Amino acid sequence: GAVVSQHPSWVICKSGTSVKIECRSLDFQATTMFWYRQFPKQSLMLMATSNEGSKATYEQGVEKDKFLINHASLTLSTLTVTSAHPEDSSFYICSAPRGAAQETQYFGPGTRLLVL
Amino acid sequence: QKEVEQNSGPLSVPEGAIASLNCTYSDRVSQSFFWYRQYSGKSPELIMSIYSNGDKEDGRFTAQLNKASQYVSLLIRDSQPSDSATYLCAVIGGSQGNLIFGKGTKLSVKP
Repeated sequence: GAVVSQHPSWVICKSGTSVKIECRSLDFQATTMFWYRQFPKQSLMLMATSNEGSKATYEQGVEKDKFLINHASLTLSTLTVTSAHPEDSSFYICSAPRGAAQETQYFGPGTRLLVL
Repeated sequence: QKEVEQNSGPLSVPEGAIASLNCTYSDRVSQSFFWYRQYSGKSPELIMSIYSNGDKEDGRFTAQLNKASQYVSLLIRDSQPSDSATYLCAVIGGSQGNLIFGKGTKLSVKP
């Protein structure tokens, strides 16, 4: 069964609105979660690393003020896309590492965002 | 910049054949390698992980790793139409312990 959940799975919103995406680890704690973005016919690109109890680490070129990340607990990380624009339309996927060495990453089902 | 390279395909094989997917990586010190399967519109699903040189088999899937050549492959035996998907090769190599993905190889298994 699924080990990481994401909500919502689909979002359609108007330009300028904010969208919040939740990522939950099921039955295990995740001090770190990763947020990826995937544009059509491209591979996954890391946006940021969510760290429980500390600030998120953003990849180069990702605006931290636009993509707000909050790791509220050991099982929940949220990504808020503030003032969304059509170019933010994408497939957003979170992952959480699990296992003794924390090397195996399990992905949530993803959230497809369409900004009109 | 650490990179993972894959042939984008599409790779087309008949049902029942062996599909061979290849991947190279740039960071010689990489230690952990993964193959994910991604169906259209879905998130990646872990197929195999491999950490040591040689072969690792799991059902119809065999992962092969050659660290000297910086090469990872995935063989799918007795390919089925349900195997049709994009296969992503990934390496742990980011500064945060994140995965670095190749662009994926699209596999099509024809009935």
